Amino acid sequence: EPEVTQTPSHQVTQMGQEVILRCVPISNHLYFYWYRQILGQKVEFLVSFYNNEISEKSEIFDDQFSVERPDGSNFTLKIRSTKLEDSAMYFCASSGTGRTGELFFGEGSRLTVL
Amino acid sequence: KQEVTQFPAALSVPEGENLVLNCSFTDSAIYNLQWFRQDPGKGLTSLSLIQSSQREQTSGRLNASLDKSSGRSTLYIAASQPGDSATYLCAVKGNDMRFGAGTRLTVKP
Repeated sequence: EPEVTQTPSHQVTQMGQEVILRCVPISNHLYFYWYRQILGQKVEFLVSFYNNEISEKSEIFDDQFSVERPDGSNFTLKIRSTKLEDSAMYFCASSGTGRTGELFFGEGSRLTVL
Repeated sequence: KQEVTQFPAALSVPEGENLVLNCSFTDSAIYNLQWFRQDPGKGLTSLSLIQSSQREQTSGRLNASLDKSSGRSTLYIAASQPGDSATYLCAVKGNDMRFGAGTRLTVKP
């Protein structure tokens, strides 16, 4: 069964360092998303991406964050100059259609900022 | 701004019992509603997707309903099993997808 895969599963970094989280969406999907879940809190929307550009972003997704689809398969989230409060589980999701499509999530990348 | 609330926050039932999880949302202008299961430290597994024009969606022991006008959805689980123990999340799709805080379900053998 097709699935969304994410790497790394866990990354520990020092405050101020840059981090890149990687995702391989389901192969025929066109809509890509990043969400995060701080421990004990709700899953929060960060950004959606379609046709090589950001289609929606939340207030959380500030200049510290960027997304890219560097090739035909990967979708990345870059966090520049990480802060302690960036520690969270980051989930990638993909969908075959836009607003009405079912979202499929990866297993997540746990980021720990020390 | 869309607010999604789930109740109860936690539920513990004996194996075999039928149960209902609840989700309410404040803005009825949604495209769809999705129910997910989340095991500890894991990702989100999609259980059910209901489009805004639908009232109900059944898959095996699960039945999800949607009343868009009243801003409510339920997830009914029949004949619960210990393997159903997990956190169940409701998410509504408007311009973005908003999640509830989840219901933590424990099914005791």
